Amino acid sequence: DAEITQSPRHKITETGRQVTLACHQTWNHNNMFWYRQDLGHGLRLIHYSYGVQDTNKGEVSDGYSVSRSNTEDLPLTLESAASSQTSVYFCASSELAGISADTQYFGPGTRLTVL
Amino acid sequence: AQSVAQPEDQVNVAEGNPLTVKCTYSVSGNPYLFWYVQYPNRGLQFLLKYITGDNLVKGSYGFEAEFNKSQTSFHLKKPSALVSDSALYFCAVRDDNQGGKLIFGQGTELSVKP
Repeated sequence: DAEITQSPRHKITETGRQVTLACHQTWNHNNMFWYRQDLGHGLRLIHYSYGVQDTNKGEVSDGYSVSRSNTEDLPLTLESAASSQTSVYFCASSELAGISADTQYFGPGTRLTVL
Repeated sequence: AQSVAQPEDQVNVAEGNPLTVKCTYSVSGNPYLFWYVQYPNRGLQFLLKYITGDNLVKGSYGFEAEFNKSQTSFHLKKPSALVSDSALYFCAVRDDNQGGKLIFGQGTELSVKP
């Protein structure tokens, strides 16, 4: 079955370190998204991509970057981790068009703690 | 700009009673509306969506949602709540300016007691 996976599931790092969170989907979806979930803020969009070599900033993109070199993967990099980036991170994907367009499928999440 | 609002942080329901989780929206153009559910320590799962057609949309796990254009609402409903329905529920709207993007509400914690 098609799925979307994230790794690691839990990560503890120190302030100032570079961290990369992996997201891999086997849906063959063009669209991929990264969100962070914080208490009282719901889900906030960090970055998104509509296809290979395409990346776009979301509402909370400062301090984060992504790259899309193939359809399956959209890694999220924290250039220099800050305590404010302690959060749960979710990756999602969706089809570009068709009757299922816009329905996003989510990964299980990565809980990141920055000390 | 598109937006959704979930006016209740928490909803408490007794098992077997009907439940409603509220969502209102603000959009320019036709709304594409979604409901997702999040169980503890899990990612969000798609429940249902409204794009066009019948105002009553049926989804997974016995849930349904009623689209009301005059009240700009898209409330999630279930005739008989189960303890296992206890979870965090998110309403979302497609951002028409950016195809594929969804804008999520703050979430409503549903607690179903035996």
